[in-house]
Amino acid sequence: GDSVTQMEGPVTLSEEAFLTINCTYTATGYPSLFWYVQYPGEGLQLLLKATKADDKGSNKGFEATYRKETTSFHLEKGSVQVSDSAVYFCALGNSGGGADGLTFGKGTHLIIQP
Amino acid sequence: EAGVAQSPRYKIIEKRQSVAFWCNPISGHATLYWYQQILGQGPKLLIQFQNNGVVDDSQLPKDRFSAERLKGVDSTLKIQPAKLEDSAVYLCASSFDRLVYNEQFFGPGTRLTVL
Repeated sequence: GDSVTQMEGPVTLSEEAFLTINCTYTATGYPSLFWYVQYPGEGLQLLLKATKADDKGSNKGFEATYRKETTSFHLEKGSVQVSDSAVYFCALGNSGGGADGLTFGKGTHLIIQP
Repeated sequence: EAGVAQSPRYKIIEKRQSVAFWCNPISGHATLYWYQQILGQGPKLLIQFQNNGVVDDSQLPKDRFSAERLKGVDSTLKIQPAKLEDSAVYLCASSFDRLVYNEQFFGPGTRLTVL
């Protein structure tokens, strides 16, 4: 079945450092890919998405590119801030869009130190 | 626009007891999902409704879990009887229409502790 693997945390960085959180997936067809973020004490929020190969999703300075050849969707940000401290989840969904249930990775806890 | 509402926010019960969670999706959203998030893991889909019909309940432990969305709006998830391994956060989410890509909006969750 479908699965998502993302790097274990916690990941601890200093403010203004470059961030990469790795995500790879296994799925049949061509799923949609998502990054969700959960800030402390809050619910899951969609951060960015990509629905087909070579698409780049971006939001709030974060970016991720849908790489079919490596089945990856790594999350990057050039300069992190303390306010980026949160748990980040990579997820996959339907091929070709649609909104059926998502398959999530285990989450990566990101800690940014001032 | 009001978000997805869930209640209660926290619940502590003893094993073999019953518990029910309630979810009210965003107004106009046809699709509703229940996910289970065990500590240290990502959310796992339990059941998905389109209006008042079940789309996918393949991962719902049907011997003890049940869910309904009778009028196609709010939904109830029940566990009867609860086991220790049911301790988790139960998340409800909704989207406008599963046939067209739409973002899933998540509620704050209900944290269940089974003693």
